Amino acid sequence: DAMVIQNPRYQVTQFGKPVTLSCSQTLNHNVMYWYQQKSSQAPKLLFHYYDKDFNNEADTPDNFQSRRPNTSFCFLDIRSPGLGDAAMYLCATSREVGKVPYEQYFGPGTRLTVT
Amino acid sequence: AQSVAQPEDQVNVAEGNPLTVKCTYSVSGNPYLFWYVQYPNRGLQFLLKYITGDNLVKGSYGFEAEFNKSQTSFHLKKPSALVSDSALYFCAVRDRTARQLTFGSGTQLTVLP
Repeated sequence: DAMVIQNPRYQVTQFGKPVTLSCSQTLNHNVMYWYQQKSSQAPKLLFHYYDKDFNNEADTPDNFQSRRPNTSFCFLDIRSPGLGDAAMYLCATSREVGKVPYEQYFGPGTRLTVT
Repeated sequence: AQSVAQPEDQVNVAEGNPLTVKCTYSVSGNPYLFWYVQYPNRGLQFLLKYITGDNLVKGSYGFEAEFNKSQTSFHLKKPSALVSDSALYFCAVRDRTARQLTFGSGTQLTVLP
């Protein structure tokens, strides 16, 4: 089945130690998103790629970076995790053609713990 | 700017009864509206969307939602609730010039047996 896969599902890192979360998709969607979700709150968009074009949200901290080496993969890098970065990180994809709004498909998420 | 309000943090309903989860929105122009459901420790699952056309939208698992432009609302409904419907529900909006979704704060639905 076509899907959005996130690895790992659970990640523990130390304060200040860089960490990378990965997302892959078999949907061949051209847009990929990274969201941060804390304690069953609304997902907060960090950034998204429209094809190869990177779009950062204005309030996303510089500590968060992303890479999309090809259509299928996207990575979230947290350069120096703080305790406040502990959250669920959700990857999503969508197919965007012009301005037609297709729904986003979400992965299961990676729960990040910072010790 | 676009925004969504889900006025109820928690909705409880008895199994077999109809359920409603409320959502109101604010955008400039005509909106695109979505409902998603999230089960514990899982990603969001798409339920339904309103783009244009018929104000009553039918989606997955027997859910439907009614777009009301004059009240700027998009309430989620189901005629007969199941215990398995218990989950966190998010309404989301985007305007016709944006690519980003804005999510509401979520409503925890509990269906009591």
